[in-house]
Amino acid sequence: DAGITQSPRHKVTETGTPVTLRCHQTENHRYMYWYRQDPGHGLRLIHYSYGVKDTDKGEVSDGYSVSRSKTEDFLLTLESATSSQTSVYFCAISDPAGVGYEQYFGPGTRLTVT
Amino acid sequence: GENVEQHPSTLSVQEGDSAVIKCTYSDSASNYFPWYKQELGKRPQLIIDIRSNVGEKKDQRIAVTLNKTAKHFSLHITETQPEDSAVYFCAASGGSYIPTFGRGTSLIVHP
Repeated sequence: DAGITQSPRHKVTETGTPVTLRCHQTENHRYMYWYRQDPGHGLRLIHYSYGVKDTDKGEVSDGYSVSRSKTEDFLLTLESATSSQTSVYFCAISDPAGVGYEQYFGPGTRLTVT
Repeated sequence: GENVEQHPSTLSVQEGDSAVIKCTYSDSASNYFPWYKQELGKRPQLIIDIRSNVGEKKDQRIAVTLNKTAKHFSLHITETQPEDSAVYFCAASGGSYIPTFGRGTSLIVHP
């Protein structure tokens, strides 16, 4: 597996609390992505980054924000968690201008909002 | 934006049979089409990909075909084995490097 980790791997939180998920890579890939995976919906893009401090929204960005202050870290924040944000969250990286278009996924974070 | 449709959502086969999963896409500018395999509780991992300048690509028991005119591409798995049981995702992307994924196909291979 590519050098990509996510923390925490599991989290249970209450509605209305803020939550931050971290993605860390050691591959120096330029692009980083956050997806959520729900049954029947596949992988849906939340936000992505194409460089330090360069981010953009995906198809399901409402209720989420991101930050990338250095190449290796991409943070996903739920400002006020809701039950609809219970999901498995995957981070991914790619390096289209370098090794290629392939995306490498992290191990995932299972988030439960009660 | 890009829209990717994937069928079937579930596919059940006997060990040794072939399996075919089909995807269609909407954006004619898409030029990269990967397939990912996700085993239960694991992360998605690339198993094969194809670019728009190629019609077919093969890697041992798996192959992918692309029809750019019709905007569809397919994954073919021959001589299926129980360890092929997983969820398979297709995706399409173009110059933005932002892939759009299909909803996935759950492949079940019965011994």
